[in-house]
Amino acid sequence: QQPVQSPQAVILREGEDAVINCSSSKALYSVHWYRQKHGEAPVFLMILLKGGEQKGHEKISASFNEKKQQSSLYLTASQLSYSGTYFCGTDDFGNEKLTFGTGTRLTIIP
Amino acid sequence: GAGVSQSPRYKVAKRGQDVALRCDPISGHVSLFWYQQALGQGPEFLTYFQNEAQLDKSGLPSDRFFAERPEGSVSTLKIQRTQQEDSAVYLCASSSGFERQFFGPGTRLTVL
Repeated sequence: QQPVQSPQAVILREGEDAVINCSSSKALYSVHWYRQKHGEAPVFLMILLKGGEQKGHEKISASFNEKKQQSSLYLTASQLSYSGTYFCGTDDFGNEKLTFGTGTRLTIIP
Repeated sequence: GAGVSQSPRYKVAKRGQDVALRCDPISGHVSLFWYQQALGQGPEFLTYFQNEAQLDKSGLPSDRFFAERPEGSVSTLKIQRTQQEDSAVYLCASSSGFERQFFGPGTRLTVL
């Protein structure tokens, strides 16, 4: 079953913060986050491993709650370049096979 | 190479034709994946190779779909007797093994 992401879509003004959630019905080994712009390939953001720590860069970070089978992506002080569709990809068995979520379309306006 | 490359970038086929889609992964990457992405949807797993071994083909929609990676580098996804429902973007990704997957630009297949 496909992970469910929320919200489905969000519009923000430049500089605002966003949280994107990914929820699975299965126990997860790892969660991968990607951003895809229209007509382009998905671009990797980060991996969160079972038992691992919260990861992040300066303005993009993520958490992984194994017990709740959920992951969240945090975008701080959003920039215009953050616009796109965000997908979480879950690895249920530790075999690299990813099941991608329903997607969250993020639009940043000036 | 600099990244994952795919060819052709666009393919238009008449219903019933056979097509072959090529993927050149990043040099040295052990793992190679094929995904199908319909408009407005996330990528859906088709099949996965580790070197030349096809470890999982559970996502291939029918026996019209066939993938190979004979020498453990370049891979080809073949679709026989194409149908309109096969129209989608076909994405290839590679990784060095249990790491981030690098995606290619995709092949947009349109079946008329």
